[in-house]
Amino acid sequence: NAGVTQTPKFRVLKTGQSMTLLCAQDMNHEYMYWYRQDPGMGLRLIHYSVGEGTTAKGEVPDGYNVSRLKKQNFLLGLESAAPSQTSVYFCASSSLRTDTQYFGPGTRLTVL
Amino acid sequence: GENVEQHPSTLSVQEGDSAVIKCTYSDSASNYFPWYKQELGKRPQLIIDIRSNVGEKKDQRIAVTLNKTAKHFSLHITETQPEDSAVYFCAASIRAGGTSYGKLTFGQGTILTVHP
Repeated sequence: NAGVTQTPKFRVLKTGQSMTLLCAQDMNHEYMYWYRQDPGMGLRLIHYSVGEGTTAKGEVPDGYNVSRLKKQNFLLGLESAAPSQTSVYFCASSSLRTDTQYFGPGTRLTVL
Repeated sequence: GENVEQHPSTLSVQEGDSAVIKCTYSDSASNYFPWYKQELGKRPQLIIDIRSNVGEKKDQRIAVTLNKTAKHFSLHITETQPEDSAVYFCAASIRAGGTSYGKLTFGQGTILTVHP
């Protein structure tokens, strides 16, 4: 039982490049979330999903897209990376029957 | 939307002292309040949580109190140890299972340093 995993762990992009971050969970959770963490600002919700095939915007969705084609996977895409997207990205998942969110190990992204 | 304010931003204590971190929230509909601990370079991990039908909850050296009227909740760590040094985040949400889908709004974090 790996819990929540994220790939890659680190990535450096140039402005304008694109990339996809992958989140996977093996707990059969219905809900999945993508957060970004910046110094002094806590974690902010980017997008979330309440089930396979459904996604919704969070607090800071601009510049990101997501997809959830399979229940266990939640993808975060950056179509044209900007330096303002330099951050640590965390994925989390939870069950609709409980409240606890379980976090992945994070992806550190630098956009030059 | 919900807004969560957390204070202090940094807290330095001597080993064995108590530490208190406070958070206020804005949405009176929020009814779930978790606290996460994040060590340097690691993922946030839940250490304790409280629901709005409870005023206080304890787990060994950690306790959380909730004042729904004032819309604030606090984390209390007693007999602090150097391994308690980390960033602590409070959060608020409306419980999963409803139309809010358990979305968490986090405070800004408190860097706790426990000096030996």
